[in-house]
Amino acid sequence: DQQVKQNSPSLSVQEGRISILNCDYTNSMFDYFLWYKKYPAEGPTFLISISSIKDKNEDGRFTVFLNKSAKHLSLHIVPSQPGDSAVYFCAASLGGATNKLIFGTGTLLAVQP
Amino acid sequence: DGGITQSPKYLFRKEGQNVTLSCEQNLNHDAMYWYRQDPGQGLRLIYYSQIVNDFQKGDIAEGYSVSREKKESFPLTVTSAQKNPTAFYLCASTMRQFNNEQFFGPGTRLTVL
Repeated sequence: DQQVKQNSPSLSVQEGRISILNCDYTNSMFDYFLWYKKYPAEGPTFLISISSIKDKNEDGRFTVFLNKSAKHLSLHIVPSQPGDSAVYFCAASLGGATNKLIFGTGTLLAVQP
Repeated sequence: DGGITQSPKYLFRKEGQNVTLSCEQNLNHDAMYWYRQDPGQGLRLIYYSQIVNDFQKGDIAEGYSVSREKKESFPLTVTSAQKNPTAFYLCASTMRQFNNEQFFGPGTRLTVL
């Protein structure tokens, strides 16, 4: 049972345009959501996060939106740059003592120059 | 400077052999995690440890074993019982009181011949 889903395996956008990566989840008990960026053969790096008590968090070119009623979050990258080309994973946490993260399957973003 | 190191970067083993993957962190993090990534899939949790001398099974622990004798170290042994050991293995760590954001190492690519 995939609790965190990224239904788009890949996305291609032009440099300077907006990239929108989507993520859906099924467990309403998730209390924190994160986005990670990953290059091939490297470990993921943390990008941005959002608590379930908020609906938006912004950090420079990156903004994450959370729609709890729809159990949906999205990552907006504006403007997109070629260096943003990577796989993006969304992850969700149930919090508590274990701090386990549940990851989606990832979306490969390609930013064309 | 602080970080998580995993060694080696690439590892080749013959089928039927046990192999141990190293993970060391100097971030003074309490919790450490092992994930496995396969093509087209998200990160799946193998084992995690919240404190020294204690660890719990993740979602896909069969065929793996771990130890946590020191705060800085969390080695993973891939045993011959693991049916499909070829994968990219990632180690992560986090501070317990700052839930959620996990920091990842660079990963180890294990190939079983």
